[in-house]
Amino acid sequence: GAGVSQSPSNKVTEKGKDVELRCDPISGHTALYWYRQSLGQGLEFLIYFQGNSAPDKSGLPSDRFSAERTGGSVSTLTIQRTQQEDSAVYLCASSLVRTGYGYTFGSGTRLTVV
Amino acid sequence: TQLLEQSPQFLSIQEGENLTVYCNSSSVFSSLQWYRQEPGEGPVLLVTVVTGGEVKKLKRLTFQFGDARKDSSLHITAAQPGDTGLYLCAGARSGGGADGLTFGKGTHLIIQP
Repeated sequence: GAGVSQSPSNKVTEKGKDVELRCDPISGHTALYWYRQSLGQGLEFLIYFQGNSAPDKSGLPSDRFSAERTGGSVSTLTIQRTQQEDSAVYLCASSLVRTGYGYTFGSGTRLTVV
Repeated sequence: TQLLEQSPQFLSIQEGENLTVYCNSSSVFSSLQWYRQEPGEGPVLLVTVVTGGEVKKLKRLTFQFGDARKDSSLHITAAQPGDTGLYLCAGARSGGGADGLTFGKGTHLIIQP
């Protein structure tokens, strides 16, 4: 696609439920990143994919968080047994190759856990 | 540990004024990017600076990378209401990849007409 697409744009869920967030990167971009943005905080790195592999999972906050990427394209971030502190905007970005020269971000998924 | 400190956190000025925001670190970065984010949207890349002392201009925006590649500044001349947004700096430490891009908390800029 022309840009990075994320869905849903907004998600309200009850505490304890599982949620899945989807990211569709720019076609041909091999690197894909998930970040979390909370009020008053900067962008917090969660996980990075190169192709379908995730060489860096160091940012996942707990074992309730997992992510996968299939076909070198779409990625899904899953949060199990959601907690109120999981409420944030989850941003996905992609880049052509593993690069420090800037990412293209999606518009994010705003997750609210009530 | 906050590797990139941005200042000021908040800035509200009148249309037509000039301003500078800063991004500082004790770490050396191989490159540094500036992004602008509007409400409900993801950050949009404005510029990447790579060489120590480098200056890049984007219309009324001037970006500078410190000689030691530890800090950067963004100067806006004759600010317009359309410049309003959250400005984020991000540094690449290893020259690429997830472990190379660290974001600051951002500067919230409001330009009042």
